[in-house]
Amino acid sequence: GAGVSQSPSNKVTEKGKDVELRCDPISGHTALYWYRQSLGQGLEFLIYFQGNSAPDKSGLPSDRFSAERTGGSVSTLTIQRTQQEDSAVYLCASSLGTANTEAFFGQGTRLTVV
Amino acid sequence: GENVEQHPSTLSVQEGDSAVIKCTYSDSASNYFPWYKQELGKGPQLIIDIRSNVGEKKDQRIAVTLNKTAKHFSLHITETQPEDSAVYFCAASPTSNTGKLIFGQGTTLQVKP
Repeated sequence: GAGVSQSPSNKVTEKGKDVELRCDPISGHTALYWYRQSLGQGLEFLIYFQGNSAPDKSGLPSDRFSAERTGGSVSTLTIQRTQQEDSAVYLCASSLGTANTEAFFGQGTRLTVV
Repeated sequence: GENVEQHPSTLSVQEGDSAVIKCTYSDSASNYFPWYKQELGKGPQLIIDIRSNVGEKKDQRIAVTLNKTAKHFSLHITETQPEDSAVYFCAASPTSNTGKLIFGQGTTLQVKP
């Protein structure tokens, strides 16, 4: 079956512009996560959606970052007024949502802010 | 909050040798410890995981050990092959009610033919 799909795969934007990154999770997965991976670094947790519960936004680095999940499926991560330090690979993952089940990752969106 | 430290950052071995990557965590409440492999240009992929009620788990050439008292866990790869070359990440789940994972910094493994 289809895995986690992210679009676009690459995005180059000018400093100060807003960007939207999209994630299509695996069908039936109720949990969805966004992570950020800076060059040569580990994965930094950003936000977590579980079903209809309020999302865990504890990892969002600033109020320029926000995310939505519509209809319990597709998610969009929005970065407003992008800065050069926002350049990174943004990874989305989904899981069945029960505690400690495997998270399946997409291939990521490489964001470059120039 | 939870903090995961991973060592070494790079590891080079000869084909056929073993490779060991070690991680420590800070939150004693963490109870789920997955290991991910990330190949160039791809997202991380789960290779093995262990839960806090198990001390060791093995899957063919890959094994993971967990020491809850010392709060560390390790990945062991035996009979390494060139296709094992990748970046490996350990992670810890800080509570049992969330899939949120805290990742280590990653280990770049190079297996030389």
